[in-house]
Amino acid sequence: GQSLEQPSEVTAVEGAIVQINCTYQTSGFYGLSWYQQHDGGAPTFLSYNALDGLEETGRFSSFLSRSDSYGYLLLQELQMKDSASYFCAVKGTGGFKTIFGAGTRLFVKA
Amino acid sequence: SQTIHQWPATLVQPVGSPLSLECTVEGTSNPNLYWYRQAAGRGLQLLFYSVGIGQISSEVPQNLSASRPQDRQFILSSKKLLLSDSGFYLCACPGTGGDEQYFGPGTRLTVT
Repeated sequence: GQSLEQPSEVTAVEGAIVQINCTYQTSGFYGLSWYQQHDGGAPTFLSYNALDGLEETGRFSSFLSRSDSYGYLLLQELQMKDSASYFCAVKGTGGFKTIFGAGTRLFVKA
Repeated sequence: SQTIHQWPATLVQPVGSPLSLECTVEGTSNPNLYWYRQAAGRGLQLLFYSVGIGQISSEVPQNLSASRPQDRQFILSSKKLLLSDSGFYLCACPGTGGDEQYFGPGTRLTVT
């Protein structure tokens, strides 16, 4: 089967850096991705890692270690608008299916 | 780039009533299509996926079913809704990069 673990909540202050961790178990692995979801909206794609290492996209970076079945999303220079839920997801067996974690609720305080 | 339409946007239905949610995709051909459900404050649960017309794979046994009558149309149905069917239903397809999921706006279903 496939499962993902991520913290349920994280709180940080505006301007700070926050890291959201994700560990996964999957049969077959094609990549780890991250999504952002604001209240009432649909998830939107942030980043995808197929290989080990760090991928940077503006204020957001994502890291993957396949040997540790672990990844994280790093958000820098936090802004109030970053308050949202963040989901890690694995693309597994056959590359057809993407399975999502339960999500991490990020609260950014002034 | 692709666009996903879902309707209705919100729906309130009594227990035991039927359900039909529609998803249509523009800007891509023969996409893999997915139905997810998100309960309030929870993660996304994959319900069904389809790799082509008439081809449906079910991920979770339940009282829901899916059909794909046309290449860019994906329908989620139920004959008799349960209270536990309440949630946010999202249709998705691969994004332009191929590795990400691109989601439609969703249908918020409340079963009363």
